[in-house]
Amino acid sequence: AQKVTQAQTEISVVEKEDVTLDCVYETRDTTYYLFWYKQPPSGELVFLIRRNSFDEQNEISGRYSWNFQKSTSSFNFTITASQVVDSAVYFCALLVYNFNKFYFGSGTKLNVKP
Amino acid sequence: EAQVTQNPRYLITVTGKKLTVTCSQNMNHEYMSWYRQDPGLGLRQIYYSMNVEVTDKGDVPEGYKVSRKEKRNFPLILESPSPNQTSLYFCASSLNRVTIDNEQFFGPGTRLTVL
Repeated sequence: AQKVTQAQTEISVVEKEDVTLDCVYETRDTTYYLFWYKQPPSGELVFLIRRNSFDEQNEISGRYSWNFQKSTSSFNFTITASQVVDSAVYFCALLVYNFNKFYFGSGTKLNVKP
Repeated sequence: EAQVTQNPRYLITVTGKKLTVTCSQNMNHEYMSWYRQDPGLGLRQIYYSMNVEVTDKGDVPEGYKVSRKEKRNFPLILESPSPNQTSLYFCASSLNRVTIDNEQFFGPGTRLTVL
């Protein structure tokens, strides 16, 4: 069975703090993809990143970075020097190659206060 | 402009009254999908379609129907809506099966309330 767990329901930080959003996934398949999406208060879903199961290299994009560790089945997302505009719900998602189905976590709501 | 459109964006209806939420994409995408978003549950896949006339169930298909007669359209049909189908619905599309090589584009969402 496939599953994505985002244990942090809601996180509040003050602007300029660093924050890490956790994502733990479950799958027995060896070929899969992991994603992060952002949902700002306006409601749309914004794609942030995807990773495949064969690429454990961490990635940095501006203030965003992602840490993929197969040994712990985790794909964590860190925002450095958070800003108010980062306030949103963030979803981690899993796609197993053989099934064409997406599995989303329950989301983490991030509140960044000025 | 490349986009996925959904109509209506907001709908309030009553139990048992059949409704259709339309979804259309202008990117010639093969793969289309419907999700529902509920508080504390994230997004759950309802149905997806790999191409015209090819549809399959997602994780929560009960109470929903879909059809894919044309490549660009993928309507979601609720034959007899019930209050537990009150939710935020998203349609999405991608060039072909969602892989590392192509991105899934989401529509703006349809907020449905069933009284």
